[in-house]
Amino acid sequence: EAQVTQNPRYLITVTGKKLTVTCSQNMNHEYMSWYRQDPGLGLRQIYYSMNVEVTDKGDVPEGYKVSRKEKRNFPLILESPSPNQTSLYFCASSPSLAGGYEQYFGPGTRLTVT
Amino acid sequence: GENVEQHPSTLSVQEGDSAVIKCTYSDSASNYFPWYKQELGKGPQLIIDIRSNVGEKKDQRIAVTLNKTAKHFSLHITETQPEDSAVYFCAASRGVIKAAGNKLTFGGGTRVLVKP
Repeated sequence: EAQVTQNPRYLITVTGKKLTVTCSQNMNHEYMSWYRQDPGLGLRQIYYSMNVEVTDKGDVPEGYKVSRKEKRNFPLILESPSPNQTSLYFCASSPSLAGGYEQYFGPGTRLTVT
Repeated sequence: GENVEQHPSTLSVQEGDSAVIKCTYSDSASNYFPWYKQELGKGPQLIIDIRSNVGEKKDQRIAVTLNKTAKHFSLHITETQPEDSAVYFCAASRGVIKAAGNKLTFGGGTRVLVKP
């Protein structure tokens, strides 16, 4: 089944404790992206990647890191999480780099930082 | 950058009635406008999209209209059913410009509740 998977689905952590949220897609998509969803703000892009080893900042990159060592994986890293990073996170992938095509979203990771 | 505003934030309709969600965007270079539906506990899923060379697109009970001059687009759901209850997001993109990447700017979302 074609899908985007994320792990973990739920995570509660404390301020400053490094964490990684994994994302994997099995559709051979070149484009991958991370979003955070907050009430009333919709989804905001954190980072995106157009190919292996090619990543760039989105609208809200502060406090996050990403890597793209393999085409299928795009982990999101929070080196020192803070309470304002409490949010619902989504990974997405798309077959097109150019836009104008569907983005396929994972099921989400709900992160709470205390 | 692009700014997308979406209204209303919540919408309650009786089963069988129509629902309309409206979005405005700021970047006149945007040319691709998708709508995503997010069911409880799931990621958003594309339900319909429209490109700037088209004024209206329909797929069964859902339709989208686009007014490029006024920079607004709308989602119309007719004959609503309980399974239409979800959060809906509009988005805008510069579409086929590769340098811009596949960047979507989302509206704030509309929670739709269809009452039986």
